[in-house]
Amino acid sequence: KAGVTQTPRYLIKTRGQQVTLSCSPISGHRSVSWYQQTPGQGLQFLFEYFSETQRNKGNFPGRFSGRQFSNSRSEMNVSTLELGDSALYLCASSLGGDPGANVLTFGAGSRLTVL
Amino acid sequence: GNSVTQMEGPVTLSEEAFLTINCTYTATGYPSLFWYVQYPGEGLQLLLKATKADDKGSNKGFEATYRKETTSFHLEKGSVQVSDSAVYFCALIFRGSNSGYALNFGKGTSLLVTP
Repeated sequence: KAGVTQTPRYLIKTRGQQVTLSCSPISGHRSVSWYQQTPGQGLQFLFEYFSETQRNKGNFPGRFSGRQFSNSRSEMNVSTLELGDSALYLCASSLGGDPGANVLTFGAGSRLTVL
Repeated sequence: GNSVTQMEGPVTLSEEAFLTINCTYTATGYPSLFWYVQYPGEGLQLLLKATKADDKGSNKGFEATYRKETTSFHLEKGSVQVSDSAVYFCALIFRGSNSGYALNFGKGTSLLVTP
């Protein structure tokens, strides 16, 4: 059974550019969540999608957006990149519902460096 | 609000030593609690979980007990191995306004086990 696949694994952008990251969940999983990991702030929740609908959103500016497609694949976009957006972006998928029952499975992440 | 506090690292232990990583939480009600582990260059893996008070989660020799009286979920292992070297994250669920769920993570504790 394939795991959660994130692409690209590494990318370098310059300030002001935009970036799109992709996440393919485990087959059958309908919920996809995104997290940002930085040395200073740790792991922070960005948003969660379930059946193409955003159900939950973290405390990030509007430059951060996402969407989910009918096949449950998800993308997140960051516009007008800032140096502070350099981070590891992690995607997680699950069947949906309470993570106590339906565990989140994480991908290996996309490491974004903003110069 | 819902939050998790875990002990600062790094923690350095010799092989076969006893490990304790402290984690306390603040939450409304009794959320499910988790320990995740992140090996170098990888995403997060669920190590263990507990969904209600007095539950004990266990996996790969690691254990943690959900203590509501002390709002704690400390991670323990009786005899660590070099292969346990990783970063460990304590987390709890919080629920958004649209039935979505997300995890609130602690800052992470880096563990280095030396031969």
